[in-house]
Amino acid sequence: AQSVTQPDIHITVSEGASLELRCNYSYGATPYLFWYVQSPGQGLQLLLKYFSGDTLVQGIKGFEAEFKRSQSSFNLRKPSVHWSDAAEYFCAVGELVMRFGAGTRLTVKP
Amino acid sequence: EAQVTQNPRYLITVTGKKLTVTCSQNMNHEYMSWYRQDPGLGLRQIYYSMNVEVTDKGDVPEGYKVSRKEKRNFPLILESPSPNQTSLYFCASSELAGGPYNEQFFGPGTRLTVL
Repeated sequence: AQSVTQPDIHITVSEGASLELRCNYSYGATPYLFWYVQSPGQGLQLLLKYFSGDTLVQGIKGFEAEFKRSQSSFNLRKPSVHWSDAAEYFCAVGELVMRFGAGTRLTVKP
Repeated sequence: EAQVTQNPRYLITVTGKKLTVTCSQNMNHEYMSWYRQDPGLGLRQIYYSMNVEVTDKGDVPEGYKVSRKEKRNFPLILESPSPNQTSLYFCASSELAGGPYNEQFFGPGTRLTVL
């Protein structure tokens, strides 16, 4: 069955530093992969998605993610973090039935 | 404004008292879905619907019912709520054109407490 693992529950980075959030998936075929962000007290917003083609995908707010089939990973990156990026980030896999990871909470230090 | 609305936003109830959480979207989306969010577990899908009168179970459907009588509405029904259904609930919708992997638009959430 499809599943998603986000190994890091909480990450703290300094403003201006680079960021990488890890996501590992288990899926029998070509996965449909997503990254969503949830700001405090808000619903979720899509950052980016991957279905096929170029394995490096660009999203909103300066985020990108790289699909690596050999490692079953879809890590999210940002070269320079802003204080407004503090939020919870969810990796998800699926089609009609969506499965989300447990989330990674990002804290940004001034 | 394109949006998904949920009501109520907050609800405290008692065990066994039937309740309904409404969800409505104004984007003419075919696909709608309900999730619950619990600390350390992320979001888990309860039910989804691909169109009017078409619903199917997600990963955690026990204790919940849904209906899709109109395209815009997808209410979540708890016939006999129990304390383990205390959670944050999200409704979401998306287009299906081109495949079931379009961006899902999420509502603001409903925080439910069952005493």
